[in-house]
Amino acid sequence: GEDVEQSLFLSVREGDSSVINCTYTDSSSTYLYWYKQEPGAGLQLLTYIFSNMDMKQDQRLTVLLNKKDKHLSLRIADTQTGDSAIYFCAEVSETSYDKVIFGPGTSLSVIP
Amino acid sequence: KAGVTQTPRYLIKTRGQQVTLSCSPISGHRSVSWYQQTPGQGLQFLFEYFSETQRNKGNFPGRFSGRQFSNSRSEMNVSTLELGDSALYLCASSLGGKKETQYFGPGTRLLVL
Repeated sequence: GEDVEQSLFLSVREGDSSVINCTYTDSSSTYLYWYKQEPGAGLQLLTYIFSNMDMKQDQRLTVLLNKKDKHLSLRIADTQTGDSAIYFCAEVSETSYDKVIFGPGTSLSVIP
Repeated sequence: KAGVTQTPRYLIKTRGQQVTLSCSPISGHRSVSWYQQTPGQGLQFLFEYFSETQRNKGNFPGRFSGRQFSNSRSEMNVSTLELGDSALYLCASSLGGKKETQYFGPGTRLLVL
């Protein structure tokens, strides 16, 4: 079945880089997403990558995809206290339309 | 363009009652999906509606139902509420094509006492 896994917690110092990792099982995944959720708020789409890409960069965010290992990572450069939030990895498979499978979320804490 | 809106934002109900949540998608979006978020289970897919038809369904009991109107607004209903239904209910909209990105609303936080 479809499954997405992430480590639950990450703590970094302000100014350092954060790397949040995600693994998925569905080999027919076509789109992989990163969402950010701040306390008490809904999900904000950060970035996404097509399954035929290896890397995508968007300002401070870099997404790396290793399709062979079904491993996705999100790197946040120069992490700021405002980046403290829960980050969800999610996938959409070729066989579904809008059914998005989410990971459990990684809680990022940025230490000033 | 206005984002996805959900009403109400907060709700308190008691066991056995029923509740209806509303979601207005981004203008032009025809697909609306609903998710339940709890600390224990994380984000779980409830169902998705497209052009007033349920197109995808998650693994939730029949107490959870939904519908979509001709203007793409959607409602979700939970009957015979249980304590475990306390959660943040998120709605997301998209254009509805196979690979369209979903955009989420702020959620409705439901507390069942």
